[in-house]
Amino acid sequence: DIQMTQSPSSLSASVGDRVTITCRASQNIDSYLNWYQQKSGKAPKVLIYAASRLQSGVPSRFSGSGSGTDFTLTISSLQPEDFATYYCQQSHSNPRTFGPGTKVDVK
Amino acid sequence: QVQLQESGPGLVKPSQTLSLICSVSGGSISSGGYYWAWIRQFPGKGLEWIAYIDYSGSTYYNPSLKSRVTISVDTSKNFFSLNLRSVTAADTAVYYCARDLAGAFNIWGQGTMVTVSS
Repeated sequence: DIQMTQSPSSLSASVGDRVTITCRASQNIDSYLNWYQQKSGKAPKVLIYAASRLQSGVPSRFSGSGSGTDFTLTISSLQPEDFATYYCQQSHSNPRTFGPGTKVDVK
Repeated sequence: QVQLQESGPGLVKPSQTLSLICSVSGGSISSGGYYWAWIRQFPGKGLEWIAYIDYSGSTYYNPSLKSRVTISVDTSKNFFSLNLRSVTAADTAVYYCARDLAGAFNIWGQGTMVTVSS
């Protein structure tokens, strides 16, 4: 299985901050990397697919980059509704695997 | 728009079989290009992909669960289902169904909490 790691595991930030979350795969996954946002008590919601493609309806302050083994999710200006947990997920190989998550909370 | 809804018992006894259904509305499960997946989230928040199936019945299972899992599809009733056998407390989780488009889970059900306990 491809192992996914994320850093940091949690971070505290303020509205308006630029936030960066990193995801690393245990082997080359090209651009087969997706990012999700999950709020408490809700299902995850896809934000970015194929490493850098913005899902329809997702605000443009979210962006993704990277390929191979190292990927980044960036929130350019954190908004109140962005406090949540973020997960990466690889779709290069079965079984699909997720990162452990990064919780973004209020500073 | 397509919506997914999980249903099934919230409490299952150890060694028994966990059975869940995912009803698909707003679109046909027979639409090509998608896989229909089960994913679970443990109380500690980790996410685990369980299996997927397409409209023709082609399946793929997570090797870690393959010996205990069966996924099936009923295109006439527009739902797919999950059976997980010989459950233990370690199977306690929120179970989600989701639509897989080219590897990204772009539509999710609301999730259903399943507790394994006597």
